[in-house]
Amino acid sequence: DVKVTQSSRYLVKRTGEKVFLECVQDMDHENMFWYRQDPGLGLRLIYFSYDVKMKEKGDIPEGYSVSREKKERFSLILESASTNQTSMYLCASSSPLTVWYGYTFGSGTRLTVV
Amino acid sequence: KQEVTQIPAALSVPEGENLVLNCSFTDSAIYNLQWFRQDPGKGLTSLLLIQSSQREQTSGRLNASLDKSSGRSTLYIAASQPGDSATYLCAVRPGNYGQNFVFGPGTRLSVLP
Repeated sequence: DVKVTQSSRYLVKRTGEKVFLECVQDMDHENMFWYRQDPGLGLRLIYFSYDVKMKEKGDIPEGYSVSREKKERFSLILESASTNQTSMYLCASSSPLTVWYGYTFGSGTRLTVV
Repeated sequence: KQEVTQIPAALSVPEGENLVLNCSFTDSAIYNLQWFRQDPGKGLTSLLLIQSSQREQTSGRLNASLDKSSGRSTLYIAASQPGDSATYLCAVRPGNYGQNFVFGPGTRLSVLP
């Protein structure tokens, strides 16, 4: 069964810490995405990547960076975590080379910054 | 800019009812549309994907329709069950072959036993 795996379901970090959220997909997808989801604000795109070493800013990139050294892995980095980054983080992948061309999501990481 | 809305924001029905969830989008030039389900505290699970050339897709008790010209999609759930309780989101991919879906805010469904 193909899947997108996020390394942690729950994380608690302290303000100022550097935080890494990992996402791995086993579908050989070219495209990968990071979203955050907050009540009343819906899903907001942070960063995305269309290929290895490539990255593009989404709607809310401030305070975040990403890394895509391998096709299957897309990491979201909070350089200095702040309480307003407490949120649900969702990773997704897709491929423009398939008829399906839809999104497959991971199970999410609930991050709390204290 | 493409915008996606979903009405109602929340819906509560007794078990066994057939129900319809609505999704509207402002720009009819879309590539495809995808419906998702999200359980509390979990990720999004794909339910159905409709290509722009299709009118509907079916999976089990679910049927999704697409009317591009009017900017609408509906998700029909037959014989609802308590296990259908979740938030349902629709997302459209703009027709300029942009890679990124635009998501609606979701409809929170409660099916009462």
